[in-house]
Order: sequence, then C-alpha cells, then structure tokens
Amino acid sequence: DTAVSQTPKYLVTQMGNDKSIKCEQNLGHDTMYWYKQDSKKFLKIMFSYNNKELIINETVPNRFSPKSPDKAHLNLHINSLELGDSAVYFCASSLTNTEAFFGQGTRLTVV
Amino acid sequence: GDSVTQMEGPVTLSEEAFLTINCTYTATGYPSLFWYVQYPGEGLQLLLKATKADDKGSNKGFEATYRKETTSFHLEKGSVQVSDSAVYFCALSDRDSSYKLIFGSGTRLLVRP
Repeated sequence: DTAVSQTPKYLVTQMGNDKSIKCEQNLGHDTMYWYKQDSKKFLKIMFSYNNKELIINETVPNRFSPKSPDKAHLNLHINSLELGDSAVYFCASSLTNTEAFFGQGTRLTVV
Repeated sequence: GDSVTQMEGPVTLSEEAFLTINCTYTATGYPSLFWYVQYPGEGLQLLLKATKADDKGSNKGFEATYRKETTSFHLEKGSVQVSDSAVYFCALSDRDSSYKLIFGSGTRLLVRP
C-alpha cells in the first residue's frame, strides 16, 4: 500500500490554465505538507496543515491555494499558471515533530 | 533563521570507496536532523535521523552523528555501491520553525563501477 500518494505524476499544461494536484496519506499522520523542488533540486516548504488547520504559509503567490478536506488529504490548486511554476511538487506527511514521508512527486510543466 | 549547508556536488567515487558528505546547520533551538535520499525519478526517502546531540543515525551502511559542538551531521559510508548513486539531502526541523523540514541544497553522488 502506498503511504503518501499524489496524482497526477506528470502534468503538462498551458500558461493561464488552472490545475489541481491531489495528495492522500494512509499513515494516520496529523500533519501534511507541500514542498516545491526547482530545476536545481532545491526543496522549499510551501504549506503545512495540522489537523486540517493551516499552520505554515510561506511566501507563495496567492495563485496557489491548498485545501485540506480531512486529515488524510491535502490538495493544491494553482490558478493562472505561469512558466515559472514549472517544478516538481512533493506532498509529505508526518506526526508532529517526527520525520516526514514523501510522495513520489508531481512534475508540472507549463508551456 | 534556521538553515542547512551541505557540500556541493557532484561527488564521483569508484565502487567500494569511502563516502563523506558534509552537512552543517544553524538553528536557534534544538533541532532534529535528517538525511533524505532521492533516487532518479523518485520521491524523497528518509535515510536516517538523529534527534539529540551525540545520537548516531544509521541505515543501509550509512551513518551520521549529531555533533552539537560543531553543528554538524556529516553522512558517511564505508564502501559505496553503484546503487547508492542518488541525490542526498541534509535537513533539520525544530519547534521554532513549526517543525517544517529545512533542506540543504542536495549533493549528487555518482558511483562508478
């Protein structure tokens, strides 16, 4: 069973479109995250939810909107996609103050 | 704020060579320290961790010791294999940063037969 699963794995879309990435974890964790990995492999936190409550919101354009319908799901919606949004987006989950488990990533390409 | 600095790669080694990847950190609190590995085309996997000073994390022949006096968490392996070729990330988390993971820039390791 996949612990942290995100869909889709690949996403190619045109500038200006709106797209969503979904994430689900079956580990019973209370905290979920979105990280962005750029073309140089640098990883940076975008958002974090604890028990469905937003606790971390880094400096991210407001075109990015996370939604957590329950503790096991954290989705990321992106409006008006730009070329610079092309990256790999990773979902992760953890119990508070323990190691995070990562999904396989969603490679977003904006053309 | 908290930060992690790790040696730039790529690191290229022959099979069975000794590996060291340096990692140092800056933190206001008492962080937990991690090494994650990313194989080509895959997500990040936890390799090892240490939660307090002098703890040694180990897994799959890799080791790292939490050194508070030098604020370091260097990754070592005595004999690398071709299958160890990947990108290695040092990371920390602590309460002052709401337990988010702060990553180093990653070090690519290439092991040649």
